[in-house]
Amino acid sequence: DAKTTQPTSMDCAEGRAANLPCNHSTISGNEYVYWYRQIHSQGPQYIIHGLKNNETNEMASLIITEDRKSSTLILPHATLRDTAVYYCIVRPQNTGNQFYFGTGTSLTVIP
Amino acid sequence: NAGVTQTPKFRVLKTGQSMTLLCAQDMNHEYMYWYRQDPGMGLRLIHYSVGEGTTAKGEVPDGYNVSRLKKQNFLLGLESAAPSQTSVYFCASSYSISGWRNIQYFGAGTRLSVL
Repeated sequence: DAKTTQPTSMDCAEGRAANLPCNHSTISGNEYVYWYRQIHSQGPQYIIHGLKNNETNEMASLIITEDRKSSTLILPHATLRDTAVYYCIVRPQNTGNQFYFGTGTSLTVIP
Repeated sequence: NAGVTQTPKFRVLKTGQSMTLLCAQDMNHEYMYWYRQDPGMGLRLIHYSVGEGTTAKGEVPDGYNVSRLKKQNFLLGLESAAPSQTSVYFCASSYSISGWRNIQYFGAGTRLSVL
């Protein structure tokens, strides 16, 4: 599985967009990019995922570069409840069962 | 619809004691997983199951056993607990393991301390 690199921590002002980067330079063609978050002491929560195209749902947008070597998770209007650790994970399409979470980015939304 | 439910939520064991953690899901998912999370670290996969009656080892399986006798339940056992097994344990389930549909739904966790 491709490895991912994320900043250890980030701050964002409440109401502003939070842009969380992820580097996955060794990603292969059949690997999806998943984003999860973990609010303090709770179980991880699925946010969004994609393969090549940009994706948007009610929680966030996922922007994947054309070469697929990096991606950005965008929370359009961050709230205090978005303070959490955000995990970027890449995973093959149909092989294996491992989901490597890494240490993620700790996002703090500041009032 | 409760999703993924883990019991117990907290437990303190003495070294050498045994216990079983229960995970139950009501989403009719085929795939279930057990992870552990140590302080300041990401989740690591212990064991997983691709269907009733099947189990497989994950990244850190030593010291744990699992069983999937019913589709909705996945049990994690510690036969002889050690202080190194102090951790938060998360159970998850998913409809599929294919890349597009492997959205894992997690329980609230079990906080285990081994003294």
